[in-house]
Amino acid sequence: EIVMTQSPATLSVSPGERATLSCRASQSISNNLAWYQQKPGQAPRLLIYGASTRATGIPARFSGSGSGTEYTLTISSLQSEDFAVYYCQQYNTWPYTFGQGTKLEIK
Amino acid sequence: EVQLVESGGGLVQPGGSLRLSCVASGFTVSSSYMTWVRQAPGKGLECVSIIYSAGSTYYADSVKGRFTISRDNSKNTVYLQMNSLRAEDTNVYYCARAIMGNWFDPWGQGALVTVSS
Repeated sequence: EIVMTQSPATLSVSPGERATLSCRASQSISNNLAWYQQKPGQAPRLLIYGASTRATGIPARFSGSGSGTEYTLTISSLQSEDFAVYYCQQYNTWPYTFGQGTKLEIK
Repeated sequence: EVQLVESGGGLVQPGGSLRLSCVASGFTVSSSYMTWVRQAPGKGLECVSIIYSAGSTYYADSVKGRFTISRDNSKNTVYLQMNSLRAEDTNVYYCARAIMGNWFDPWGQGALVTVSS
């Protein structure tokens, strides 16, 4: 099973600033990586797939990058609605696995 | 509009059974990859099972032999039959469409399953 490790566990950022979230896979996943946003009481929402492709309707301030085992989600200018928990997921090998999440909170 | 609606959650005793349903609209489950993902309260996400458009099924080791994923094309519905339930199966269960068998979009609203005596 591929283990996904996200860092940091909690990130405190002020509105308007940039947030950078990291995700590391225990082995190469060949860009088979997605990012999701989850708000309290809601289902996760797809943000990014293929490591860098934004899903339909996702604002351009969200961007993904990386390769091999290291991936990054960047939110360029945080809006109030962006404060949530973010998960990375590998779909290179079953069982597909998620990171433990990064909570993005208001500083 | 592409949408998924789960039902069937509830309280069940350890060792009991429960069947979750996921009704799809805006697309056909028979030509899609469909998955179930669970989340313990306040915890992370775990892929439980996936069914391919061709009918192949796969399971997490934690549920293999106890859970069965299936679909009814006439009802455009995917099911998760859960047997021999344990306390650690207490989770919110989400169904989702796995695009080309890969990333998940959309997700249903979730169904809470509580296993307790």
